[in-house]
Amino acid sequence: DAGVIQSPRHEVTEMGQEVTLRCKPISGHNSLFWYRQTMMRGLELLIYFNNNVPIDDSGMPEDRFSAKMPNASFSTLKIQPSEPRDSAVYFCASSFNRGTGELFFGEGSRLTVL
Amino acid sequence: KNEVEQSPQNLTAQEGEFITINCSYSVGISALHWLQQHPGGGIVSLFMLSSGKKKHGRLIATINIQEKHSSLHITASHPRDSAVYICAPFQGGSEKLVFGKGTKLTVNP
Repeated sequence: DAGVIQSPRHEVTEMGQEVTLRCKPISGHNSLFWYRQTMMRGLELLIYFNNNVPIDDSGMPEDRFSAKMPNASFSTLKIQPSEPRDSAVYFCASSFNRGTGELFFGEGSRLTVL
Repeated sequence: KNEVEQSPQNLTAQEGEFITINCSYSVGISALHWLQQHPGGGIVSLFMLSSGKKKHGRLIATINIQEKHSSLHITASHPRDSAVYICAPFQGGSEKLVFGKGTKLTVNP
């Protein structure tokens, strides 16, 4: 299996632009997680889906952030409009059984907002 | 007070030494993950455990649910073990992973 695939690996954009991050989970996994990692705050859960349904989005910073999972093999995290404080590494992870199954992480998308 | 406390924050060892990283948590959990993040940034799940002990190669993870404590041990440490190790308890109630701030391990040859 190719593992969790994220794109883009790196994104540099200007403040105010829309950013879309993409994730393909491991086939057969029913849970998908979006995390953000910064030096100041470490790893934080943004949102997670179970069977394509958003279960908990309380970690989404504000309305500028939105996430979708239209099918079992694809999810997006969108930031519109982006701000410099959104600069971080965004990780997608998938598992078979929410938090009690082994977690598999993508390589992350490093976002820089100028 | 942080829900997850890891110690030490930084650890430098000589190759071959036995390493212990500790994790204490205050939340009720149903499982706990140990993650490894290499300097390149990728995150790998090392263990997921809910009781007792697990061993994988030179790595051993233990958990004491009653004491809300877990440890990660590395035997015969090697420079390639240099990474950040993150403890992440899974809260059964809220169904969320809570992350420690990580322990940065450097193993010198």
